[in-house]
Amino acid sequence: GQQLNQSPQSMFIQEGEDVSMNCTSSSIFNTWLWYKQDPGEGPVLLIALYKAGELTSNGRLTAQFGITRKDSFLNISASIPSDVGIYFCAGLSGSARQLTFGSGTQLTVLP
Amino acid sequence: NAGVTQTPKFQVLKTGQSMTLQCAQDMNHNSMYWYRQDPGMGLRLIYYSASEGTTDKGEVPNGYNVSRLNKREFSLRLESAAPSQTSVYFCASTSGHRMNTGELFFGEGSRLTVL
Repeated sequence: GQQLNQSPQSMFIQEGEDVSMNCTSSSIFNTWLWYKQDPGEGPVLLIALYKAGELTSNGRLTAQFGITRKDSFLNISASIPSDVGIYFCAGLSGSARQLTFGSGTQLTVLP
Repeated sequence: NAGVTQTPKFQVLKTGQSMTLQCAQDMNHNSMYWYRQDPGMGLRLIYYSASEGTTDKGEVPNGYNVSRLNKREFSLRLESAAPSQTSVYFCASTSGHRMNTGELFFGEGSRLTVL
């Protein structure tokens, strides 16, 4: 099946720093999404990207849909303690009826 | 609004025991999903139901069965639990429209340990 390679697996950063994580695939996706999972909760959608080359922001979050449709990145600016959690990328191809998820990036924000 | 509700939140089983995880959504969504989450492996789809009365296998269906009882409820059954099924299980739902956008609404998860 399709696979997404998400990196890094984990990050430890100081409060106030910027964060960048990315996802790559050998397959083309028509939609890229970024979810966040708070400790003890289910994932929640942060940003959805529907067009190759699209750059979308949601507050301090910025995500891009790669021009080849095989990659996406997520940036978080000026990190705060509540940014702690696991961030998942996910892709949706035109023929599929379900999402393919990356393995997640565990983010820890140090005071 | 409750959204997606899963029960139980925690369960410990012995190898060979059976159990059912329950999931209900109050958003009138058509599609419902069961995922398992294991460290370093992301979320893997077990089974899904695109509409009431239909179910399909996902990536890792072996050892599980599902029932779409009605539009609101989608249960996951382990007939003979194995230690490899120790995991956190998530139920999710989406309307038919939103599957095109990839937006899923997740429950809080059910943590299962099989001894």
